[in-house]
Amino acid sequence: GAVVSQHPSRVICKSGTSVKIECRSLDFQATTMFWYRQFPKQSLMLMATSNEGSKATYEQGVEKDKFLINHASLTLSTLTVTSAHPEDSSFYICSAQTGTLGDEQYFGPGTRLTVT
Amino acid sequence: AQSVTQPDIHITVSEGASLELRCNYSYGATPYLFWYVQSPGQGLQLLLKYFSGDTLVQGIKGFEAEFKRSQSSFNLRKPSVHWSDAAEYFCAVAPRTNAGKSTFGDGTTLTVKP
Repeated sequence: GAVVSQHPSRVICKSGTSVKIECRSLDFQATTMFWYRQFPKQSLMLMATSNEGSKATYEQGVEKDKFLINHASLTLSTLTVTSAHPEDSSFYICSAQTGTLGDEQYFGPGTRLTVT
Repeated sequence: AQSVTQPDIHITVSEGASLELRCNYSYGATPYLFWYVQSPGQGLQLLLKYFSGDTLVQGIKGFEAEFKRSQSSFNLRKPSVHWSDAAEYFCAVAPRTNAGKSTFGDGTTLTVKP
């Protein structure tokens, strides 16, 4: 149980275009999902917290107009990187949490974004 | 602000040897504590977690960790390392008000020699 999927696993896009990454909880309902960014050989940095049916809460320094997050249902959250630039190239990982805030989070396998 | 320090960037051990990965945290109160493992290009897998109770926590794959409040530490141990344990290991803390909002250490890369 508690499986989280991400799609796509890898994506290459041209500079200036937008790309959408999906995060799905496959066998549970996730009231909260989190989006992380991981640079090569570095740790995970929390970008935003996404609650179903409400606006995402972004961490300090994360541009909300650039990283659009939508949590339209209890099993799906999307991250759209708008007007992508090469510096947005990174490994993006989502995680999902059930309704109890004390619950651990379950991580997706990650999406490798390369902006050329 | 909460922070996590993993002092060892890279550790190499021989297969069959014991392992200890260090983790120290800075937090106003006792947080939730986690250890995750990440293989190259993959997401994170939870090895174990400490919420409350027994300070020696057993996890998957033969790992254990001990919470020491006085030292603000949560070190990960394994008595006998297998080649498949080679990976990146992350320690993380989260507030008790929201276990999902985690702060991660910089990670320790484990190499296993045959």
